[in-house]
Amino acid sequence: GAVVSQHPSWVICKSGTSVKIECRSLDFQATTMFWYRQFPKQSLMLMATSNEGSKATYEQGVEKDKFLINHASLTLSTLTVTSAHPEDSSFYICSALLHGGAADTQYFGPGTRLTVL
Amino acid sequence: AQTVTQSQPEMSVQEAETVTLSCTYDTSESNYYLFWYKQPPSRQMILVIRQEAYKQQNATENRFSVNFQKAAKSFSLKISDSQLGDTAMYFCAFMKSNNDMRFGAGTRLTVKP
Repeated sequence: GAVVSQHPSWVICKSGTSVKIECRSLDFQATTMFWYRQFPKQSLMLMATSNEGSKATYEQGVEKDKFLINHASLTLSTLTVTSAHPEDSSFYICSALLHGGAADTQYFGPGTRLTVL
Repeated sequence: AQTVTQSQPEMSVQEAETVTLSCTYDTSESNYYLFWYKQPPSRQMILVIRQEAYKQQNATENRFSVNFQKAAKSFSLKISDSQLGDTAMYFCAFMKSNNDMRFGAGTRLTVKP
């Protein structure tokens, strides 16, 4: 149980275009999902918290107009990188929050590698 | 702000031996959760073990166990009978009661045959 998928697993796009990444919780409902960014050989950095039916909460320094987040259902959150530039190239990972009796736990998707040419 | 420190960038261990990965954290929260995640070369983050701060008993999951010292704000991971498949990056993570999670810098563990 607690499986999270991401699509696509990798994407290459031209500078100035927009890219949408999907995050789905496959076997549980998630009112809260998270988006992280990971640079090579570095840790995960939280970009934003996605709440179903409401606006996302962005971390300081993350441009909300550039990284659009939509959490339209209890199993799907999307991250759209608008007007992508080479510096946006990175590994993007989502997680979905599973509420448990003992502890809430984040389960992670397999990640999406974005390369902007 | 919460910070998580993993002081060992890299570690290695012989197959079948035991290894301990260190993690310390800083917080003023009283209610929180601690996690160890594993990230193999596939980059899929895999939950290894979790600990609720209000529990004094150390969590265990098969070959994985933690030494949780709340007063010292320490949360180390012990891997017993290390296997080649344990080779990965290991991240310690702190999560507040509002589910805001922060990660340490990671420890790259190599299990040698």
